[in-house]
Amino acid sequence: QKEVEQDPGPLSVPEGAIVSLNCTYSNSAFQYFMWYRQYSRKGPELLMYTYSSGNKEDGRFTAQVDKSSKYISLFIRDSQPSDSATYLCAMSESSYKLIFGSGTRLLVRP
Amino acid sequence: DTGVSQNPRHKITKRGQNVTFRCDPISEHNRLYWYRQTLGQGPEFLTYFQNEAQLEKSRLLSDRFSAERPKGSFSTLEIQRTEQGDSAMYLCASGDVHEQYFGPGTRLTVT
Repeated sequence: QKEVEQDPGPLSVPEGAIVSLNCTYSNSAFQYFMWYRQYSRKGPELLMYTYSSGNKEDGRFTAQVDKSSKYISLFIRDSQPSDSATYLCAMSESSYKLIFGSGTRLLVRP
Repeated sequence: DTGVSQNPRHKITKRGQNVTFRCDPISEHNRLYWYRQTLGQGPEFLTYFQNEAQLEKSRLLSDRFSAERPKGSFSTLEIQRTEQGDSAMYLCASGDVHEQYFGPGTRLTVT
């Protein structure tokens, strides 16, 4: 069993929809939780990070962490075709190493 | 605004050859990381530098792999005697653990 599980998708939604992306994890020692966006054949781009539990909002993006359930989410409001990409969750318990999920492919249809 | 840069962007090599990749991190970042990503998977941690010191290596990093960061600036990742299983995207990142900024990657194809 992988430390971080993420549904690979693809997830297809119409433009303007609210998108919900999720990851589950097994290591209760994880403290930092990140979301990255990766376009095809590009490096991952950091969207936002959260420390421990709680919510964080940045523009159209909201990240939630529920440590009791070992579950994190990323919500995208008013989704745009330019949001079409692979979304990777990542977590860390230490000072250096990120553990990534396998990514969810998102397609926002015009 | 200069981000993390990596060279070359693509490398095709024959099995058994040696290859070397370069990473130039964001200038003020002391920490530098190497990851490997295969198709349909998330990046996997390979190694980590704090300035010029290599502080951690994954068991994924076999004896054929070596990484350096002389003078705590750019870093190189060398793969000796490449195998087809080494074909992947090699990603470099710099920054704190919770704010790692990735470069565009070097795509390696071993034929």
